[in-house]
Amino acid sequence: QQQVKQSPQSLIVQKGGISIINCAYENTAFDYFPWYQQFPGKGPALLIAIRPDVSEKKEGRFTISFNKSAKQFSLHIMDSQPGDSATYFCAASMQGGSEKLVFGKGTKLTVNP
Amino acid sequence: DTEVTQTPKHLVMGMTNKKSLKCEQHMGHRAMYWYKQKAKKPPELMFVYSYEKLSINESVPSRFSPECPNSSLLNLHLHALQPEDSALYLCASTAGHRNTEAFFGQGTRLTVV
Repeated sequence: QQQVKQSPQSLIVQKGGISIINCAYENTAFDYFPWYQQFPGKGPALLIAIRPDVSEKKEGRFTISFNKSAKQFSLHIMDSQPGDSATYFCAASMQGGSEKLVFGKGTKLTVNP
Repeated sequence: DTEVTQTPKHLVMGMTNKKSLKCEQHMGHRAMYWYKQKAKKPPELMFVYSYEKLSINESVPSRFSPECPNSSLLNLHLHALQPEDSALYLCASTAGHRNTEAFFGQGTRLTVV
């Protein structure tokens, strides 16, 4: 019940296309859902995060869609660029904080020029 | 300054060595974390310090010993490690253990030979 299931494992998109990564969870006590971006040899960096009281949050080209009833959330990257090529992790935690983040297994995104 | 600084960036140690990893943040954050990340896997939580006190130990073997000398510094002392302990060790911090964004350092790439 503590798991966050992430798909796909890898994703190849053409420049300018839309990248979509999906996550699902079981624990209804989760109330904070961040997405992290990690480049090779670097630590993860927070990209965007959402709480269950909203269904969508947009920051620039990045959008999180959240479906509370389905216990699913997804990351959409519009106008994908080669510089977006990285590994993306969804995560979830309880009590609104990052104390015990439960990470998905990650999606390696490759954006071809 | 939104940086978490980790040193060294790379470390190679023998199984009989003793070494330490260091982490520093100057954001006034009161919670600091050690994560372990194996290749192509998500970060796994090891330890959480909240207000300089150890609040979470995720059943980590005693060959890993954390220390929090003050609110800005976090160390991880390593002793008698095994080759399977080779990984990227990430430090992170948050404003308080129930607050949101976790800031990660670049990590220390540890190789045990």
